[in-house]
Amino acid sequence: RKEVEQDPGPFNVPEGATVAFNCTYSNSASQSFFWYRQDCRKEPKLLMSVYSSGNEDGRFTAQLNRASQYISLLIRDSKLSDSATYLCVVTSSGTYKYIFGTGTRLKVLA
Amino acid sequence: GAVVSQHPSWVICKSGTSVKIECRSLDFQATTMFWYRQFPKQSLMLMATSNEGSKATYEQGVEKDKFLINHASLTLSTLTVTSAHPEDSSFYICSAKRGPVGETQYFGPGTRLLVL
Repeated sequence: RKEVEQDPGPFNVPEGATVAFNCTYSNSASQSFFWYRQDCRKEPKLLMSVYSSGNEDGRFTAQLNRASQYISLLIRDSKLSDSATYLCVVTSSGTYKYIFGTGTRLKVLA
Repeated sequence: GAVVSQHPSWVICKSGTSVKIECRSLDFQATTMFWYRQFPKQSLMLMATSNEGSKATYEQGVEKDKFLINHASLTLSTLTVTSAHPEDSSFYICSAKRGPVGETQYFGPGTRLLVL
């Protein structure tokens, strides 16, 4: 079983739609969680950190469920510019190593 | 936000040659830098962790004699792919972490390597 698992998609949604991605992780000692966005042939860019209390940044909301070992990302009112691959990242307790999921590809259609 | 640069952005070389990639943190001191590799349609895989002034720590399956890492200063780490072969063709990305506090990694723009 992979340490961090994501549905690779692609998710094709119309503009304005709400879309949600989930990511599961296997190591219960995982300490920090992030969502990164990666555009084609570019480096990953931090979208947001994920906290147990949940956090929101504009149209983006991230949640962490430690009991079920998953994190989620909700995008409201999708824009064409949201089209990208969304990478779930988990770090383990005591290390700063990032463990990446394979990413979920989102395509927002006009 | 923190800025990390990489040079070169792309390189094409003949099989058997060595290629050096530089990773610099431009506006902060990075005690730790990381090197990743990403093959097409796959996720980033950590190759090694580079700490300033000490030897790099390589992930399982990554040959340390093939991928030489040097982190001589708090703002520069280099990755040298020695005797590159076509199977080394990939997207190499570095990241840097500020000091001991905080875990966010800031990524460089990546280097595309094509070995002919």
